[in-house]
Amino acid sequence: AQKVTQAQTEISVVEKEDVTLDCVYETRDTTYYLFWYKQPPSGELVFLIRRNSFDEQNEISGRYSWNFQKSTSSFNFTITASQVVDSAVYFCALSEEGQGGKLIFGQGTELSVKP
Amino acid sequence: DTAVSQTPKYLVTQMGNDKSIKCEQNLGHDTMYWYKQDSKKFLKIMFSYNNKELIINETVPNRFSPKSPDKAHLNLHINSLELGDSAVYFCASSQDWTYEQYFGPGTRLTVT
Repeated sequence: AQKVTQAQTEISVVEKEDVTLDCVYETRDTTYYLFWYKQPPSGELVFLIRRNSFDEQNEISGRYSWNFQKSTSSFNFTITASQVVDSAVYFCALSEEGQGGKLIFGQGTELSVKP
Repeated sequence: DTAVSQTPKYLVTQMGNDKSIKCEQNLGHDTMYWYKQDSKKFLKIMFSYNNKELIINETVPNRFSPKSPDKAHLNLHINSLELGDSAVYFCASSQDWTYEQYFGPGTRLTVT
């Protein structure tokens, strides 16, 4: 059955530290998409990245980077030189073909960046 | 200029009442969704609509009835509200299943 696991419930770091948020997924499909969303304390859900199952290239966007490894079914997210504004709950999500766009979310990782 | 909007933002009501949440998107997307976020922040899909047609009903009680009058709107009506319905409800839209979903600001429903 499809599933997304974010084993880290809470992470606390000091500003300027690097931090990696783990995401492991389960699917029987060969075609699927993975996403990361950010939910800051204000509550909205902000899209960060989309990756399809055929593209294992790592992605970097400013201080954010993502490492997709099909061999370990993982799609990890690293924030370099963290800042207080990065404090939020981060969700990893999976979308499979033929499921009407249903996003299966992980439990979320609450990141706290202290000054 | 808001891409996905929801009203109201907060809803406080008593058990047994009926309430509605409205959602509109101006992105021209074909697919719209309702998600429920519980007190532990877990997000779960409730419904998915594509071009006004119901695609997913994720074992949601019959008390919840979505209505899509047109492609840009997906409203959620809840009958006979229960304490367990207290949650944040998010509306979202996307071009199709392969694209990212854009979420509304959420509606915090509190049932007393």
